[in-house]
Parts: sequence; structure tokens; C-alpha cells
Amino acid sequence: AQSVAQPEDQVNVAEGNPLTVKCTYSVSGNPYLFWYVQYPNRGLQFLLKYITGDNLVKGSYGFEAEFNKSQTSFHLKKPSALVSDSALYFCAVRFFSGGYNKLIFGAGTRLAVHP
Amino acid sequence: DGGITQSPKYLFRKEGQNVTLSCEQNLNHDAMYWYRQDPGQGLRLIYYSQIVNDFQKGDIAEGYSVSREKKESFPLTVTSAQKNPTAFYLCAGSQGVTGNSPLHFGNGTRLTVT
Repeated sequence: AQSVAQPEDQVNVAEGNPLTVKCTYSVSGNPYLFWYVQYPNRGLQFLLKYITGDNLVKGSYGFEAEFNKSQTSFHLKKPSALVSDSALYFCAVRFFSGGYNKLIFGAGTRLAVHP
Repeated sequence: DGGITQSPKYLFRKEGQNVTLSCEQNLNHDAMYWYRQDPGQGLRLIYYSQIVNDFQKGDIAEGYSVSREKKESFPLTVTSAQKNPTAFYLCAGSQGVTGNSPLHFGNGTRLTVT
């Protein structure tokens, strides 16, 4: 079955330290990969995507993600965390099935950045 | 401003009543989606529509209905058949149907049924 896993419910990091939020997927074919962020009582905001090409993609607010095909991973990274980065982060994978493209989300990882 | 507008932000209903959540967009998106968000479960797809007058069931369509009479509008009705309707509902849209465009989300409607 097609799936997306975010193995950590919560990630804690000190302000100024690098952060990583993990995502692995199990999808047939060549999927498209996305990261979104959600602040309390708001919708999700798009951060970045991987479609094809360079495995390291850069996105909004200084975030980047590395696509690793052999490990089927798409981890989100930032070199220096800010308190304002504290939010809920979702990995999503788009694939094609039955003539339609489908998008599935991971369960989310809560990032807490401490001063 | 362009975007996905969901209304109302909070909605309270008594059990047994149908309720309709509004979703309007002025981004000229072809595809529109409804997701349900519950704590710790991420987002689950209820319905999606890739063109006007066409929509497909998602993973948890039971107890819900939608219409897509206009490109700009994709309302969701939560019927009395939905066993556990209390949740945060998110509407989204995306440009095209190839899948490489990100979703743009509204700010959600929090539905409480008692």
C-alpha cells in the first residue's frame, strides 16, 4: 500500500541549531514530494517540492530538503532554527493511480524550537 | 487578495443535522479538495474534483457529499450519516491536474457536533 511515514511525533531543537524533520515514503513509480507547514488553527502552507532534477531543493523561510531515492526519504532541514519555526510539519507524496493523481500526507511532526 | 476562502471559521451543530461548509477560490484552480484533520492522524482526503461537474470519492467519503457546479466553488455537506463529524475541515486547490503543483489551502472550518 502507498504510504508516507513521519517517524517522529515531535522534534525539539534549540534556537540557532540545525534541525531535521524526517519523512520516508512507500510509493510505486516516480512520486512528487512536498513539505507543508501548519500554524495553529490555520491551513497548511507550501514550503517546497521535489519533482525531478537536483536532489537538494530549497524552499521558503530558509528550509531545504534532500531527496534520497535509494532510501525513499525526503527529510526537511534548516541550518539554523528560529523560535518562529515552531509549528506542525507535514510531508506529502503525490502519485498516479487509476487515471487520477492522488496526494497522501504523513501524520505530521511537531517542531518545537526553544530559545 | 487571491486565495481559498472557507467559511465559517467555527461551526456548531446538533447531532442529526446536515451542515454545509463553504469553500470559494479566486485562483482559477482546476482541482479542488476537501480534507479532514484529526489530532495525530494527519490529513485524510474526503472528496476531490478535477473539473466542474466531476468529483471523486477520497479515502473517507462516507457521510459526506459535495458539488462542483462552478469552478470557483466546492461546498462540502456533512450529513447526519457521518458517525464522528467533529473535526477540522480543510479545503484546498491546485493548478492543473498533472500533480506537480502544490496545494493552496484555506484556513479551515472547525466543526463541532454535540
